[in-house]
Order: sequence, then C-alpha cells, then structure tokens
Amino acid sequence: GAVVSQHPSWVICKSGTSVKIECRSLDFQATTMFWYRQFPKQSLMLMATSNEGSKATYEQGVEKDKFLINHASLTLSTLTVTSAHPEDSSFYICSAMTWNTEAFFGQGTRLTVV
Amino acid sequence: GENVEQHPSTLSVQEGDSAVIKCTYSDSASNYFPWYKQELGKRPQLIIDIRSNVGEKKDQRIAVTLNKTAKHFSLHITETQPEDSAVYFCAASPNSGGYQKVTFGTGTKLQVIP
Repeated sequence: GAVVSQHPSWVICKSGTSVKIECRSLDFQATTMFWYRQFPKQSLMLMATSNEGSKATYEQGVEKDKFLINHASLTLSTLTVTSAHPEDSSFYICSAMTWNTEAFFGQGTRLTVV
Repeated sequence: GENVEQHPSTLSVQEGDSAVIKCTYSDSASNYFPWYKQELGKRPQLIIDIRSNVGEKKDQRIAVTLNKTAKHFSLHITETQPEDSAVYFCAASPNSGGYQKVTFGTGTKLQVIP
C-alpha cells in the first residue's frame, strides 16, 4: 500500500514551547490529510481535516490557534502545537488519502510536554 | 455528524475460535466502512473494508458484513491466532465535500489465548 511518513516519532518539549510535526505522503499525492489525537487505550479522535492549498477544517472543541495546520503541497501537511502544555501530551497521528481511496496512516508522534 | 459505536470493548478468545466485533453508525449517508488493526504503539493498518453497494466481503480468515437498513456492520475473524491480538477499530465514512471524513469507533481489544 501507499506510504505515509510522519516525523518525528517522538518528541519531548518544555512547557510553553512549540512543536512541529510533519506528515508526508511518499509515493502518492494526498488531496486530503487528517490529523488525529489518540489518548492511551482510546480511539482516534479527529482534530482537523486539511485539503491542499486551503484552510484546515477543525472539529468542534479543537483550538485553531493552538493546533496550527498547514497543507502547503500535495505531499506535506504539518501540525504545530503552539505554547504546549502537559495536557497536550498525547499520541498524534496523521492520515492521507486521495479521492475515494482508503486512508493511509503515518506512524504517529508521541508528544511529551514537561 | 457521524457517530460510530463499537462492541465489545474487550474480547478474549481461545486460539482457533472465531471473534466477532460489531459496530453501528448513525449517518445514513455513510457509504464506506473500513476496519483497522492497531498493534501497541503502532499505526492503524487497514485490514478490510466494504462499500455500501456490497453486503459481505471476505479475505481469507477475515470477513465483514454490512446491513445498511439497520446501520450496522461486523468484523468476523475465524481460526484466530495469537498474532491477531491487537486493538481493532471500525470506521464509517460519508462521501462529504470531495473527500471522505472517517469517524472511528471506540475500539475493541482482542486477546487470542494460545
């Protein structure tokens, strides 16, 4: 299947700093990318949907100014957690898809804010 | 929006027995139903999917059934093996705005006992 690469796999940052997570589709052009957050032993909660070249659509309850999403090209989307706090510690995972195809997932990023 | 419920949350079976996981969805516009397997600390992997124009689909030991009238779909794993142990997520997706927004169920932790 198609490959989606997410980087970094894990990151530890100090409270108040910002962290950028990249999601790349390596062998296909992703018209749409999704960002999820997964708490331990829980399901994947959709945070936002981004289409290349347009603003991301955020789910209810997700702060746009805190979780900045950029989808500048058909192969790259970034999620920036701004002014991170310990409660932002979680597993963040992206998925990418083209028109009418299955979603392919990145390997996820474990963020720990200390 | 779409709401996907999944049962059971945990399931233990003896090796060689069958496992069944059931999901219901709320949005009648949903037309794509993928199932994902997620091993601890890893990305979700698509194992099988079904579209609304099909009632049943089988791939070796895995099968999925869909009842659009009742809005429920199920995953069946036969002749279970220890390597089937993982968390399984069902999902539903309507064809919305040119892309498919995937809503996940709450997950089922399957344990296959050797």
